[in-house]
Amino acid sequence: LAKTTQPISMDSYEGQEVNITCSHNNIATNDYITWYQQFPSQGPRFIIQGYKTKVTNEVASLFIPADRKSSTLSLPRVSLSDTAVYYCLVGDGNNDMRFGAGTRLTVKP
Amino acid sequence: ETGVTQTPRHLVMGMTNKKSLKCEQHLGHNAMYWYKQSAKKPLELMFVYSLEERVENNSVPSRFSPECPNSSHLFLHLHTLQPEDSALYLCASSLGTGSSYNEQFFGPGTRLTVL
Repeated sequence: LAKTTQPISMDSYEGQEVNITCSHNNIATNDYITWYQQFPSQGPRFIIQGYKTKVTNEVASLFIPADRKSSTLSLPRVSLSDTAVYYCLVGDGNNDMRFGAGTRLTVKP
Repeated sequence: ETGVTQTPRHLVMGMTNKKSLKCEQHLGHNAMYWYKQSAKKPLELMFVYSLEERVENNSVPSRFSPECPNSSHLFLHLHTLQPEDSALYLCASSLGTGSSYNEQFFGPGTRLTVL
């Protein structure tokens, strides 16, 4: 299983861009990178998924360098409601993706 | 709403009780999952069902017994639990288990307290 490493916590202010980096040094060729968001006492919610280069949707962007050993989730202009735990998962979809400790993002006014 | 519902939302039970958690998905998915989330701990994958067949059991104690009668419903039967089993139990579903795009849709969870 590809192991992921993320910062435990991050602080930001409203309106700023937030970048959360995840390390996955032993990512396999067939693995995708998926990010989830979780609010307290709720289930995680899918944010974005990518394999290489850059992926963008209405919520976030995901940057993946050529060696794929890391990835960066970018949240543009965060608001207080973006305060949550963000998880980086790596796997090929065959039940091998595991949630780690995640990054607790706190957005301040 | 994610299309995955869980009942009850809150449950308090004694160690000798028998109870069941229910999960239902309205997304036409073929895979369903049970997760446990204890306070300040990562989500722990407990069980995975694909097309009503259990495909993974992560060394979960036998006091937790899953049941998947069809692809839309998943149960977790609880029996003689311990206080350390108190946690948020989350159900999720996905289109399948063999796809790279295996986005999981989570229910709101059942907050379980074992006295």
